Amino acid sequence: DVKVTQSSRYLVKRTGEKVFLECVQDMDHENMFWYRQDPGLGLRLIYFSYDVKMKEKGDIPEGYSVSREKKERFSLILESASTNQTSMYLCASTGEANFNEQFFGPGTRLTVL
Amino acid sequence: LAKTTQPISMDSYEGQEVNITCSHNNIATNDYITWYQQFPSQGPRFIIQGYKTKVTNEVASLFIPADRKSSTLSLPRVSLSDTAVYYCLSIMFSGGYNKLIFGAGTRLAVHP
Repeated sequence: DVKVTQSSRYLVKRTGEKVFLECVQDMDHENMFWYRQDPGLGLRLIYFSYDVKMKEKGDIPEGYSVSREKKERFSLILESASTNQTSMYLCASTGEANFNEQFFGPGTRLTVL
Repeated sequence: LAKTTQPISMDSYEGQEVNITCSHNNIATNDYITWYQQFPSQGPRFIIQGYKTKVTNEVASLFIPADRKSSTLSLPRVSLSDTAVYYCLSIMFSGGYNKLIFGAGTRLAVHP
C-alpha cells in the first residue's frame, strides 16, 4: 500500500512565525501536491510538484512556498503565518500523469494564533 | 468560471442505494472524473474514476453522460460505515490552462 505521511497531525503557531509542513511518500511517485481544506470549500490546490526541484502554482499559492529537494519529500512553507492560514493541510502523491488517483496523507491541522 | 458543484449533504438508511451527482461545467476534453471518500481525521481515499458512460468496481458505480458535464456516484446498499464526505474531482479548462478542481464535498449520513 502507498503510504503518505505528514510530519504533524496538529500544530499551533503564532502570527508571523515561519512554519514548515513536511510530507513523505514511499511509492516513488513523481507528482506531489499540497492542498488546504476548509469547511464549505472542499480541497483547494496550493502547489504541486511533478519532479525534484520542479513546482507549479495551484489555485491559492499566495503566502506559501514549497520545496522538493528529494523525490519522496515535499515541504510546504508558510514564510510568515497569518490567522487566515488556519486550516487543514493535506499532502497527496500520484504516479499517474492524469493526476486523478491521488494518495493522501492524514492531514495536518494548523492553528495560527 | 470553472466550477464543480455537488449537494452539501444527503441522508440515507442502511440497505438503500445512494446517488450523488456532481456537475462540472467546463471539464477538460480528455480528462477523467474521480470520486473520493473521506472519513473524519483521515485524508481522502480514491473510490472510482471514469471518462464516459459507466464504470463499476467493488465499491461503487460511476455514471457519466455523453456531454460529460456531470457525473453520478452510485453506492449500492449502503451501510453505516459508508457515512463519510464524498468529493468529486475533475480537471477543468479555465483561464487558459487545466486546473484540478474538487467539489466542496457531500456529507452522507447513513442511518440504521
